[in-house]
Amino acid sequence: AQTVTQSQPEMSVQEAETVTLSCTYDTSESDYYLFWYKQPPSRQMILVIRQEAYKQQNATENRFSVNFQKAAKSFSLKISDSQLGDAAMYFCAYRSAGGTSYGKLTFGQGTILTVHP
Amino acid sequence: KAGVTQTPRYLIKTRGQQVTLSCSPISGHRSVSWYQQTPGQGLQFLFEYFSETQRNKGNFPGRFSGRQFSNSRSEMNVSTLELGDSALYLCASSFRTGISGANVLTFGAGSRLTVL
Repeated sequence: AQTVTQSQPEMSVQEAETVTLSCTYDTSESDYYLFWYKQPPSRQMILVIRQEAYKQQNATENRFSVNFQKAAKSFSLKISDSQLGDAAMYFCAYRSAGGTSYGKLTFGQGTILTVHP
Repeated sequence: KAGVTQTPRYLIKTRGQQVTLSCSPISGHRSVSWYQQTPGQGLQFLFEYFSETQRNKGNFPGRFSGRQFSNSRSEMNVSTLELGDSALYLCASSFRTGISGANVLTFGAGSRLTVL
């Protein structure tokens, strides 16, 4: 079974600064997908960024980028120019590429991000 | 475009009762997955439905069940409620495309269940 570990229960950052959230995972599979989701106080889970394991290039979405190290099984999220609206719980998630796993994500425990003005 | 709609948003039940939660996916999405979120266990996968068939199931007791209708709407049911069933129940939908798709899940706002 796959596991996802987020070792930072809480992180904080000053507005306009950069912060990196860590995520490691364990799997014996070679093909899979990784995601970062954001859950603000409203509780609605929002996709931040995704990465296909077969792609060596790190994904980027505006101020959000990842550092995907497949051999190390590491998938960190970098938030640049942090904004107050970035404050939320961030979850790292894993999904197998297999045909029966479309809707099954394995989540880490989450990291609470606080943004200070 | 309407998002994933979950009803009810909040509900309170007592031990031993049963509860049914509803999820309407994004139009065109045919896969619906359910997750339980608790402070202690985090986010855990319950099951996924596609084309009215359960495609995958998490490690939950048989008291947790679900179904999907022909319009892709889904319901989950929890019977004989226990205190530990208090949680936020999240529903997510996706297209469930072929091999090349990343099948991004879009989540609803959740149903907050409190069991007294």
